[in-house]
Amino acid sequence: SAVISQKPSRDICQRGTSLTIQCQVDSQVTMMFWYRQQPGQSLTLIATANQGSEATYESGFVIDKFPISRPNLTFSTLTVSNMSPEDSSIYLCSGDRGYNEQFFGPGTRLTVL
Amino acid sequence: QKEVEQDPGPLSVPEGAIVSLNCTYSNSAFQYFMWYRQYSRKGPELLMYTYSSGNKEDGRFTAQVDKSSKYISLFIRDSQPSDSATYLCAMSVATNAGKSTFGDGTTLTVKP
Repeated sequence: SAVISQKPSRDICQRGTSLTIQCQVDSQVTMMFWYRQQPGQSLTLIATANQGSEATYESGFVIDKFPISRPNLTFSTLTVSNMSPEDSSIYLCSGDRGYNEQFFGPGTRLTVL
Repeated sequence: QKEVEQDPGPLSVPEGAIVSLNCTYSNSAFQYFMWYRQYSRKGPELLMYTYSSGNKEDGRFTAQVDKSSKYISLFIRDSQPSDSATYLCAMSVATNAGKSTFGDGTTLTVKP
């Protein structure tokens, strides 16, 4: 497996602002993903971060709201734009070397006031 | 109706008990079945991975998949307080793991 770190681990933000979350993997991975997890609920896939190209978004998520970058095989960022209290959640980054063996970062706990 | 339904819990058992965690699903195209363990304030970690039907054993953990019934289970033998966590089942159609569909999780507490 690999180790994934995320920054920040938590943040409290004001409505209307934006937050960029960083995800760093300690070794190369084939795919990187961004998830959202509401407290006590399951993981919802936001998008697949593609290296050097636009991310692939799932239904209900759009680039203007959640711009994603992946400049290389070990790093990605997710920005939560123009935040509202409904964006309060845990945001998780994951990596996959193939064969469905995903490993996750510790998550970023976001609270929007 | 959700594609993946997981027994909601919470589940509380004494140390040493056998634990059974279960999920059902509706999409017959699912081929890959995973169990993740998530400790409080941590990201999920892959516990077990199974392709198609059958059983897989890893130490105290056994994963079972019954595709005919669209039912998967995770058994924990000789449960320990360190097993206290939320367990998430996940399934996918292809090897693109990011397309996994997750259950809502079952929170397990093992009491000493």
